[in-house]
Amino acid sequence: AQKVTQAQTEISVVEKEDVTLDCVYETRDTTYYLFWYKQPPSGELVFLIRRNSFDEQNEISGRYSWNFQKSTSSFNFTITASQVVDSAVYFCALSSANQAGTALIFGKGTTLSVSS
Amino acid sequence: ETGVTQTPRHLVMGMTNKKSLKCEQHLGHNAMYWYKQSAKKPLELMFVYNFKEQTENNSVPSRFSPECPNSSHLFLHLHTLQPEDSALYLCASSQGGVNTEAFFGQGTRLTVV
Repeated sequence: AQKVTQAQTEISVVEKEDVTLDCVYETRDTTYYLFWYKQPPSGELVFLIRRNSFDEQNEISGRYSWNFQKSTSSFNFTITASQVVDSAVYFCALSSANQAGTALIFGKGTTLSVSS
Repeated sequence: ETGVTQTPRHLVMGMTNKKSLKCEQHLGHNAMYWYKQSAKKPLELMFVYNFKEQTENNSVPSRFSPECPNSSHLFLHLHTLQPEDSALYLCASSQGGVNTEAFFGQGTRLTVV
């Protein structure tokens, strides 16, 4: 079965703090893809990153970085020097080559609140 | 013009009403999706269309009826809904491959009274 777990329901930080959002996934497939999305108050999910199961290199994009570890089935997301505009719900998602329809399976999301 | 457009943004309907949600994508994608987002729950996949053909129905009650007349348009027809169907309904599109990200609309906030 495919499953994504985001154990942190809500996180509150003060501006300029670093924050890590956890994501743990379950799949029996050897080929799969992991994603992170951001959902601001406007409601639209915004794509942040895609990572395939064969590429364990960590990635950095500005203040965002992602740590993919197959050994622990985790794909964690870190925001460095957080800003108020980072306040949103963040979703981790999974898709795999054997999953019918190739649609994304999402975790429950982590609500991040950044105060000034 | 955004890539995926949903209308209406907000909808209030009675349990005996019939209404439709509309989604349009301007990205040239081949796959379109309906997701339901309820409070405290993960995004639930409802329906998947690839090249206008429905490829997945996640045990959705028949009071929800999707329609995909072409690759750019997707509808969700609603009738005799229940209050627990109140949620944010999100439409998405993608190229269709397992490795492609989905692009989402802003959703329709549905309230059933």
